[in-house]
Amino acid sequence: ETGVTQTPRHLVMGMTNKKSLKCEQHLGHNAMYWYKQSAKKPLELMFVYSLEERVENNSVPSRFSPECPNSSHLFLHLHTLQPEDSALYLCASSQDWGGTGLGTDTQYFGPGTRLTVL
Amino acid sequence: SQELEQSPQSLIVQEGKNLTINCTSSKTLYGLYWYKQKYGEGLIFLMMLQKGGEEKSHEKITAKLDEKKQQSSLHITASQPSHAGIYLCGAYQSNQGGKLIFGQGTELSVKP
Repeated sequence: ETGVTQTPRHLVMGMTNKKSLKCEQHLGHNAMYWYKQSAKKPLELMFVYSLEERVENNSVPSRFSPECPNSSHLFLHLHTLQPEDSALYLCASSQDWGGTGLGTDTQYFGPGTRLTVL
Repeated sequence: SQELEQSPQSLIVQEGKNLTINCTSSKTLYGLYWYKQKYGEGLIFLMMLQKGGEEKSHEKITAKLDEKKQQSSLHITASQPSHAGIYLCGAYQSNQGGKLIFGQGTELSVKP
């Protein structure tokens, strides 16, 4: 596998369920990201991990819980979600985090998980 | 906070025609990134511009960053159905960390 992979690609869950999204990057990058993409809205950054440490938490509700066990894997744990949380969840990685201006902060995205909350 | 405004929001062109998409920032851009997204899928990195006046090309797609580093344009020459999708510009808010913000996207359709 190359690049950034995400599983599952599609997920339907009830509001009382607990599920997890998984992201894996095969690029040797140090930073990983979770984004939410809702219809007709710009991409929203949720979390950033750099060297396995969370460096950005963009006012995300606690029903979303990220986990970064190592530099290659990123999880998003979901519990008691709301229907408005239905969206495309995208994972990305980059060599370095932040506006380095060197191109090493270029983010590469996975294919996304389409989440539907009933 | 910085905002990125893309224009037009959507575009329908005949195959073979040229087109331009613009991305305008309210503040100085520290690296401008262009991505393409097929509906419901991930973003594909196209190119990154950093220096004012810089221009880069990838196949039939050319992107430029103006001298003042507050606007970028993406130009597609002789469009093909494979160019269809959503084009997004993204930029960092500073050169000292921070998040990558995105424009709202431009949806391109190419009629055969």
